Amino acid sequence: KQEVTQIPAALSVPEGENLVLNCSFTDSAIYNLQWFRQDPGKGLTSLLLIQSSQREQTSGRLNASLDKSSGRSTLYIAASQPGDSATYLCAVGGSARQLTFGSGTQLTVLP
Amino acid sequence: GAGVSQSPRYKVAKRGQDVALRCDPISGHVSLFWYQQALGQGPEFLTYFQNEAQLDKSGLPSDRFFAERPEGSVSTLKIQRTQQEDSAVYLCASSLEAGIETQYFGPGTRLLVL
Repeated sequence: KQEVTQIPAALSVPEGENLVLNCSFTDSAIYNLQWFRQDPGKGLTSLLLIQSSQREQTSGRLNASLDKSSGRSTLYIAASQPGDSATYLCAVGGSARQLTFGSGTQLTVLP
Repeated sequence: GAGVSQSPRYKVAKRGQDVALRCDPISGHVSLFWYQQALGQGPEFLTYFQNEAQLDKSGLPSDRFFAERPEGSVSTLKIQRTQQEDSAVYLCASSLEAGIETQYFGPGTRLLVL
């Protein structure tokens, strides 16, 4: 059974700092990996999708990498802003099509 | 265009009541997923539809949970005889094809069972 772990569970940084969120998974037989953002009381917003054949994806200040062989992904956020404060969820897609989620990293960017 | 919508947004039920949660996926999306999210946790898979066919219901926690998508668009998740442990946010997601693409999530229904 796929298990997804996210470290750290919570992170607080000053505005402008670059930061890295980590995600690890136990079964490397994945179809894709997706990073989401969740604001309090809201649904999930998709940030980046990396297919299993890809090594990274970029969108604006966000860069996600995937290393299937080691079962790891990182989400890099450049020049963080207070508006980036949210919970970031990593989810792995497998052959069964549903996503398996980590518990998230709660990010606070201080002005 | 419109995203995934869910209703109601909030539901308070007394223990033992039946509830029905609705999901309207993005128009034309083939795949539809239901997830359950407990407080402070990531979502957990409940069930998956491809058009009107329920292809996977392995995540449904008990036979009190039932989902349907009779015409391949709107879906309803029904919980019978609700228990306090059913309190959670229920999220619906849809994707264009067979689920290997980006899943788009609705805002969720927050269920509180008293």
